[in-house]
Amino acid sequence: NAGVTQTPKFRILKIGQSMTLQCTQDMNHNYMYWYRQDPGMGLKLIYYSVGAGITDKGEVPNGYNVSRSTTEDFPLRLELAAPSQTSVYFCASSYSGALARDGTEAFFGQGTRLTVV
Amino acid sequence: AQTVTQSQPEMSVQEAETVTLSCTYDTSESNYYLFWYKQPPSRQMILVIRQEAYKQQNATENRFSVNFQKAAKSFSLKISDSQLGDTAMYFCAFMSYRDDKIIFGKGTRLHILP
Repeated sequence: NAGVTQTPKFRILKIGQSMTLQCTQDMNHNYMYWYRQDPGMGLKLIYYSVGAGITDKGEVPNGYNVSRSTTEDFPLRLELAAPSQTSVYFCASSYSGALARDGTEAFFGQGTRLTVV
Repeated sequence: AQTVTQSQPEMSVQEAETVTLSCTYDTSESNYYLFWYKQPPSRQMILVIRQEAYKQQNATENRFSVNFQKAAKSFSLKISDSQLGDTAMYFCAFMSYRDDKIIFGKGTRLHILP
């Protein structure tokens, strides 16, 4: 069972370049999330999705875009990379979010370390 | 907006000792989940324990237990008989029933010393 898979694991971008961080899950989870983790800052929510075709902004959405065309995939797009986007990015998924009252939890990918120079 | 505060950036304890990590949160919601996640050097996020707010009984998972004080909005994690493998960053997290976002604290870096 692969769980949540992120690619790539590492990437160096030049300022102004664009790229897409891929995230896919095979657990048929309806909720998916993108976080960034800066040193000493915990995890900040960038975007999230409660199902295919539905996305919403988190705490720090500026400079990013997402799409959710399928249940499995939730790519994160950086259009014009800036040094402030240097961070570790985590994708996560969960089955039912807060509404199920079934002990839901989020499953995380291994993270992508992105450096913008 | 909900917030999660972890007031201890870093802690160190001797192996086999008991350690308590603090977490407070702010919300106007009455129904929600609280979580503790562990992040070892491998970066993988691992669920340690979860608590549903409507349950008065504190959750326990082997050596890990929580002290959930709903009125005080406090959710501390106790690790008993600490082991070297417990060395990691620990994050407290909040998720309300109404809002689907999971909000994390800044984390506490825990060192277990041999």
